[in-house]
Amino acid sequence: NAGVMQNPRHLVRRRGQEARLRCSPMKGHSHVYWYRQLPEEGLKFMVYLQKENIIDESGMPKERFSAEFPKEGPSILRIQQVVRGDSAAYFCASSPRTVHTGELFFGEGSRLTVL
Amino acid sequence: GENVEQHPSTLSVQEGDSAVIKCTYSDSASNYFPWYKQELGKRPQLIIDIRSNVGEKKDQRIAVTLNKTAKHFSLHITETQPEDSAVYFCAAPAGDDKIIFGKGTRLHILP
Repeated sequence: NAGVMQNPRHLVRRRGQEARLRCSPMKGHSHVYWYRQLPEEGLKFMVYLQKENIIDESGMPKERFSAEFPKEGPSILRIQQVVRGDSAAYFCASSPRTVHTGELFFGEGSRLTVL
Repeated sequence: GENVEQHPSTLSVQEGDSAVIKCTYSDSASNYFPWYKQELGKRPQLIIDIRSNVGEKKDQRIAVTLNKTAKHFSLHITETQPEDSAVYFCAAPAGDDKIIFGKGTRLHILP
């Protein structure tokens, strides 16, 4: 059973471009979470999705950021018109159950650098 | 709002000594408390967790204690080794649908 797969691992964008980060959860996992980690800081919750539904996006900026988890294919975190402050590691995690009952399995992260 | 506070932010201990990291949480409905370890440049990985129906859980050199009344839980690492050097995060559920993390503790094991 492959782990959580994220790509790209590293992404460089210029200010104003779009960044698209992909996450394939572990097989059998229907819960996907995105977290942002700034250098030397903790994991900040962004959004929680189940298949075709955004359950909680309270941690995601309302402008320029969007997330989806379609019926087929990976979950995608999209950042439009990137700015330097978007430079961070973006981690995806999946779980077979809700957060009250089990472990989150993290991907290796996508490191976004905005020039 | 929901919050998880973690202390200390940095901890240095001599190899072989014990390390203790403490966290407090605000959501009294939380019932699951995991600890994650993140090595430099790597992904966070679960090392131990505890549910609210027990006060302590141990797995070899690591243990977690929970005080639900005070809403705090702690990670204890005994007989520390160089490979224990990493950043450790506590976490707790917030509401029904997300888990939030403390800001992390950078643990240095000194030779």
